[in-house]
Amino acid sequence: QSVLTQPPSVSGAPRQRVTISCSGSGSNVGSNTVNWYQQLPGKAPKLVVYYDDLLPSGVSDRFSGSKSGTSASLAISGLQSEDEADYYCAAWDDGLNGMVFGGGTKLTVL
Amino acid sequence: EVQLVQSGAEVKKPGESLKISCQASGYTLTDYWIDWVRQVPGKGLEWMGMIYPGDSDTRYSPSFQGQVTISADNSISTVYLQWSRLKASDTGIYFCARPRRMHHYYDAFNIWGQGTSVTVSS
Repeated sequence: QSVLTQPPSVSGAPRQRVTISCSGSGSNVGSNTVNWYQQLPGKAPKLVVYYDDLLPSGVSDRFSGSKSGTSASLAISGLQSEDEADYYCAAWDDGLNGMVFGGGTKLTVL
Repeated sequence: EVQLVQSGAEVKKPGESLKISCQASGYTLTDYWIDWVRQVPGKGLEWMGMIYPGDSDTRYSPSFQGQVTISADNSISTVYLQWSRLKASDTGIYFCARPRRMHHYYDAFNIWGQGTSVTVSS
């Protein structure tokens, strides 16, 4: 059971917008920044959002992140088939003194 | 180019020992923490622990404390993850990862190794 809670799956049609939620607590999401990773099948994770809402260089601006209190969200607009992947949220946890991840959300592009 | 290159896939029997590696290039190993992350087949990501090669400060997740050992050899820019007695439940893919900023252990991981598959089966 993961410390951060994500929905197991989301789906959307091409060109639509989807959001993935990430729920935590005061010791992680509530007090530290949230990062989001995209993992394509058989590949290593790739950072797509850091510090709650910043995009690394080279990441499409169709990706955006937000946070409020102990919950965070990743939004992907203008869905494309190449966005089909697993997405994980992560944050440092002050109580566990370690990085904690969400269980992952499988995005299906219909 | 900054990159982390991991050792190849391993197939082991329960009770055997194993040491896998993660070699850094394109930056100074001793300036950044290196973390290890496990992914059980079909499951999510789990943080195992980290090391700061600059002073060998090492920290573990409570779930992995005492089960694995993380070490580094700065002379060859390599970080290791080792087991003294493998169990079937250690089967998974192991990633090494580096945070964005030097000296910051709680930062986002922007550099990842390609992963090492470990299969433990009798």
